[in-house]
Amino acid sequence: DAGVIQSPRHEVTEMGQEVTLRCKPISGHDYLFWYRQTMMRGLELLIYFNNNVPIDDSGMPEDRFSAKMPNASFSTLKIQPSEPRDSAVYFCASSFNPRSGHGYTFGSGTRLTVV
Amino acid sequence: DAKTTQPPSMDCAEGRAANLPCNHSTISGNEYVYWYRQIHSQGPQYIIHGLKNNETNEMASLIITEDRKSSTLILPHATLRDTAVYYCIVRVTGTASKLTFGTGTRLQVTL
Repeated sequence: DAGVIQSPRHEVTEMGQEVTLRCKPISGHDYLFWYRQTMMRGLELLIYFNNNVPIDDSGMPEDRFSAKMPNASFSTLKIQPSEPRDSAVYFCASSFNPRSGHGYTFGSGTRLTVV
Repeated sequence: DAKTTQPPSMDCAEGRAANLPCNHSTISGNEYVYWYRQIHSQGPQYIIHGLKNNETNEMASLIITEDRKSSTLILPHATLRDTAVYYCIVRVTGTASKLTFGTGTRLQVTL
């Protein structure tokens, strides 16, 4: 199993540009989570899906952020327009049983830099 | 979910046991204690969890006090590869509640 796959690993973009981050969860996991990590705020949950349906997006910072999960094997996190304060590492995680608390598998993250 | 308190940083000599404390004085009866760690530039990794009994697996041991207000994660023989940020998380199991990370303890293992 290749684990949770995120792309790209690094992204540098100019302020105002659209950024799309991608995630492929582990096959069979029906929960998918997007986290953001910064030095100031640590790890923050942005949104999570169950069976491709968004369940809780209360962590999404503002309307510039959107996430989709068109099928069980793919999710995107889009920022439009991007701003320098969006610079962070974005992690995707998937789980087959989040009720257990230990079934979370994280990807390697996408380091986003907005200049 | 209950709040946890951890020291911001700790040092440990390689080969020695690393004991990482966590306070969770407001823990409820149905809340479990989970430990994750994050090695530099990687995503968090599950280590161990428990309710009230001590637990051990191939990575670590978890000691929970009788009143459940605190716990200690023990890495019995720390290596340089154990250098990471360790997160203690308290949450209810049996719900689809979110996994919420605090600031954790940065463990530095030295030669």
